[in-house]
Amino acid sequence: AQKVTQAQTEISVVEKEDVTLDCVYETRDTTYYLFWYKQPPSGELVFLIRRNSFDEQNEISGRYSWNFQKSTSSFNFTITASQVVDSAVYFCALSLWGGSEKLVFGKGTKLTVNP
Amino acid sequence: DVKVTQSSRYLVKRTGEKVFLECVQDMDHENMFWYRQDPGLGLRLIYFSYDVKMKEKGDIPEGYSVSREKKERFSLILESTSTNQTSMYLCASSLSGVSTEAFFGQGTRLTVV
Repeated sequence: AQKVTQAQTEISVVEKEDVTLDCVYETRDTTYYLFWYKQPPSGELVFLIRRNSFDEQNEISGRYSWNFQKSTSSFNFTITASQVVDSAVYFCALSLWGGSEKLVFGKGTKLTVNP
Repeated sequence: DVKVTQSSRYLVKRTGEKVFLECVQDMDHENMFWYRQDPGLGLRLIYFSYDVKMKEKGDIPEGYSVSREKKERFSLILESTSTNQTSMYLCASSLSGVSTEAFFGQGTRLTVV
């Protein structure tokens, strides 16, 4: 069975601080996809990134960066120079290739960025 | 713009009522999903559908059923609501075949009193 663990329930930072959201996953499959979603107060989940299990290259998109390490089964998400608009609940998720494409979500990390 | 639309943002129902939650997507996606979101539990899959009239149970299907008569529409049915079904319900859709990202609706906050 697949499992995604986000150990940090809530994080609070001050604007301009860097913050890392942890994600650890479990699967016995060798081919899988990992995702991060953002859920702002409005409620709609917004897709941020998808990585497949064969691509361990780290990715940077503006202030966002992702660190994928198969050796530790982790897919961590860092926000550099955080802003108030980054306040949201962030979810890490896993799906299997060739399966039913169901997403298995972690329980989410609520990030609050204070001015 | 990609769009998944849920028919209601907020609903208040009495225990025992029958409730239909409607979801429509305009992206011609094969897959559609219903999730339930509760504090401390994250998102849990109730049902999903990979084609018209096809459905599979998710992790928590008890007390729910679904209907997919047309590709763009996926309905979640609560036959007889109970207070433990008070929750946020999220609909999503995705393309089939390559584990692409899912697109989500804005959610329906259901309160059962």
